[in-house]
Amino acid sequence: ETGVTQSPTHLIKTRGQQVTLRCSSQSGHNTVSWYQQALGQGPQFIFQYYREEENGRGNFPPRFSGLQFPNYSSELNVNALELDDSALYLCASSRLSGVPNEQFFGPGTRLTVL
Amino acid sequence: GNSVTQMEGPVTLSEEAFLTINCTYTATGYPSLFWYVQYPGEGLQLLLKATKADDKGSNKGFEATYRKETTSFHLEKGSVQVSDSAVYFCALLDRNSGGGADGLTFGKGTHLIIQP
Repeated sequence: ETGVTQSPTHLIKTRGQQVTLRCSSQSGHNTVSWYQQALGQGPQFIFQYYREEENGRGNFPPRFSGLQFPNYSSELNVNALELDDSALYLCASSRLSGVPNEQFFGPGTRLTVL
Repeated sequence: GNSVTQMEGPVTLSEEAFLTINCTYTATGYPSLFWYVQYPGEGLQLLLKATKADDKGSNKGFEATYRKETTSFHLEKGSVQVSDSAVYFCALLDRNSGGGADGLTFGKGTHLIIQP
């Protein structure tokens, strides 16, 4: 069983640029959630995708957007990068069900905005 | 809104010592509670969970009991090992908070250092 994978591992961008991060779900999972983890902080929920549609969103501006593909992989896009966007971005996959389910996390993408 | 508060770290203990990491929460609904662990350079791993009041989650010698009366979910282990050194996150999932999405709310994390 393949776990959650993310690419790239590290990324450096400059303020104002746009970035795309990628995530492959664990086999059998149909839901992907994205989190932002600033240095020394806990992860913060950005949004979740289910059946290729946004299923819920945390307190992040519209310049954070995403996609989910038919194979349940996902992208996180961030436009007009700001210095405060520097963080570890975590993807988690799960199987949407009627009970709270475990989210399996990938190793993350470290984004640095200069 | 929902929030999770954890004890500040780092927490430094000697091998075989007893561990407690405090976690309290605020939630608008009836949350499920989780402890995640993050080893250096790795993603988050679920350590244990509890879905209703008085449930006890346990795994790898770690335990935590869902206490609704004190809104707490403290993590304990009777005898820690050097390999337990990591960052531990308490988290909640409140399915009644609206939106329908399974977005976890995390604490800031507690860095645990176990010395031989």
